[in-house]
Amino acid sequence: DAGVTQSPTHLIKTRGQQVTLRCSPKSGHDTVSWYQQALGQGPQFIFQYYEEEERQRGNFPDRFSGHQFPNYSSELNVNALLLGDSALYLCASSSLGGGGVGDTQYFGPGTRLTVL
Amino acid sequence: QKEVEQNSGPLSVPEGAIASLNCTYSDRGSQSFFWYRQYSGKSPELIMFIYSNGDKEDGRFTAQLNKASQYVSLLIRDSQPSDSATYLCAVRENTGFQKLVFGTGTRLLVSP
Repeated sequence: DAGVTQSPTHLIKTRGQQVTLRCSPKSGHDTVSWYQQALGQGPQFIFQYYEEEERQRGNFPDRFSGHQFPNYSSELNVNALLLGDSALYLCASSSLGGGGVGDTQYFGPGTRLTVL
Repeated sequence: QKEVEQNSGPLSVPEGAIASLNCTYSDRGSQSFFWYRQYSGKSPELIMFIYSNGDKEDGRFTAQLNKASQYVSLLIRDSQPSDSATYLCAVRENTGFQKLVFGTGTRLLVSP
């Protein structure tokens, strides 16, 4: 049973550049959520995708955008990179259709983004 | 602003002791509560979740929930050096979606 996968593992960019991060959810899951985790902080919710639509969004600027494909995989795009965008970007998959209070999010290994 | 508060630690316990990790949350309507373990440089790994008042046990781990006090805790019995990690408390809002709000985590150090 394949877990959540993310690519790339590490990425180094310079200010002003654009980046695309990718995520494939756990088998049987249809919902992908993206989180940003700065050093020493807890993960911060960016947005969630279900049925190829953004269902909920956190307090992140429009420079952060995403997409979900028919196979449930997802991309996170960040434009006009700032130094402050340096963080671990985490993808979490879950099953929105499950609906239960105990339905859980499982995290992928993350992508470490460094902006110079 | 919905918040989840954790003591950043580090919490130091000797091997074999009970480690007690605490978390408070501000949104009284929160439904579900999760504990994740995160080793340095790795992603969060789910330990357990709880949504009813009282205790829930899974092996060496016990989660405790008190909704009236808006308080969640995680007890780790017979702590091992391999338990040394950051423990993240996460709360799911009382909405139809699954956004998790995380605390900053408590760093646990278990000494041999």
